[in-house]
Amino acid sequence: LAKTTQPISMDSYEGQEVNITCSHNNIATNDYITWYQQFPSQGPRFIIQGYKTKVTNEVASLFIPADRKSSTLSLPRVSLSDTAVYYCLVGDNSGYALNFGKGTSLLVTP
Amino acid sequence: NAGVTQTPKFQVLKTGQSMTLQCAQDMNHEYMSWYRQDPGMGLRLIHYSVGAGITDQGEVPNGYNVSRSTTEDFPLRLLSAAPSQTSVYFCASTTSGANQETQYFGPGTRLLVL
Repeated sequence: LAKTTQPISMDSYEGQEVNITCSHNNIATNDYITWYQQFPSQGPRFIIQGYKTKVTNEVASLFIPADRKSSTLSLPRVSLSDTAVYYCLVGDNSGYALNFGKGTSLLVTP
Repeated sequence: NAGVTQTPKFQVLKTGQSMTLQCAQDMNHEYMSWYRQDPGMGLRLIHYSVGAGITDQGEVPNGYNVSRSTTEDFPLRLLSAAPSQTSVYFCASTTSGANQETQYFGPGTRLLVL
């Protein structure tokens, strides 16, 4: 499984755009990039997934450069309720199980 | 759909006791997994299953057993509980398709081993 590296923590104010970058230098050809969100005392929740270029949904955008060795999760206009841990995962869709790292702890303050 | 359910929500065990953590899903997912999460840490994979009758080890399988007799259920058994197994346990099921795969997580079981 491709190893991922992401910042341990980030701080933001309400209303700002937050970008969390994940490095995955040894990503394989068949690997997808998936981001999860976890609130305290809850299981992780799927946010977004992509393979290349840009993916956008109602919650976030995911930017993946051509070499796919990194990806950036973009959260537009964050609110206090976006305070959570965000995990970047890389794996292929044969994909029974993905390993989570420590994630990025995002704190949003007024 | 209820999604992924886990029981119990909380459990206190004494060292050496055994117990089974239950996990069930009603989404007809083939893939199911068990993770543990220690304070301030990410999730570590214990065991997983790609279908009924098929299981395999993850990153931290020692001290745990699993079985998958049906598509819906994936119980995790602690054979002889140790304080090091104090953790929050999450079960997940996965849908897979041509280009999409997401894991659906249960609410977790908080286990304290004394």
